[in-house]
Amino acid sequence: DAMVIQNPRYQVTQFGKPVTLSCSQTLNHNVMYWYQQKSSQAPKLLFHYYDKDFNNEADTPDNFQSRRPNTSFCFLDIRSPGLGDAAMYLCATSRDFRELLSTDTQYFGPGTRLTVL
Amino acid sequence: TQLLEQSPQFLSIQEGENLTVYCNSSSVFSSLQWYRQEPGEGPVLLVTVVTGGEVKKLKRLTFQFGDARKDSSLHITAAQPGDTGLYLCAGAPGGQNFVFGPGTRLSVLP
Repeated sequence: DAMVIQNPRYQVTQFGKPVTLSCSQTLNHNVMYWYQQKSSQAPKLLFHYYDKDFNNEADTPDNFQSRRPNTSFCFLDIRSPGLGDAAMYLCATSRDFRELLSTDTQYFGPGTRLTVL
Repeated sequence: TQLLEQSPQFLSIQEGENLTVYCNSSSVFSSLQWYRQEPGEGPVLLVTVVTGGEVKKLKRLTFQFGDARKDSSLHITAAQPGDTGLYLCAGAPGGQNFVFGPGTRLSVLP
């Protein structure tokens, strides 16, 4: 059974048209992450939620926002997509990441591939 | 500066050959994870290594964590085309966020 679900798997949007990607998890994990992965590159962390606490990476553009209405769901909003935002967007979860539990593992969804026309 | 370095960046071998890929850092990691990612899919966890010097085996894959917990290696015996993919190491140094290495892209030719 899928544990981290991302919808849709493929999303096409137009330049400047807002788009929302969704992620849900059945693991009841505290932490949810959003990564951006461009072709032939490693995933790059955009932000994460620890429960309801939002943590933004310093170099994440303001164009990217996130919402976590409850434990199971997390959304990535791109307010005005540019051509450079075309990428695979990966959602991941982990039970915790505090130092005492740093052996925790991240579980990834299958990703949403975003195309910007 | 990358916290995690991986080598080689690309590797193309024939089916049946053995190979080793490396993950190195100047930082100490309490654990490291290895993932394999196939095109168009999310990374899939292969293993987590926790103890310095630890060796874990997963069928034809052998993972080793360095004694100082700054490096790790993945050895594949008798590679098969199904092993093709991007191999990523990742970890959280000192309780910080997870970081990924740049990956090794492996191609196993039949």
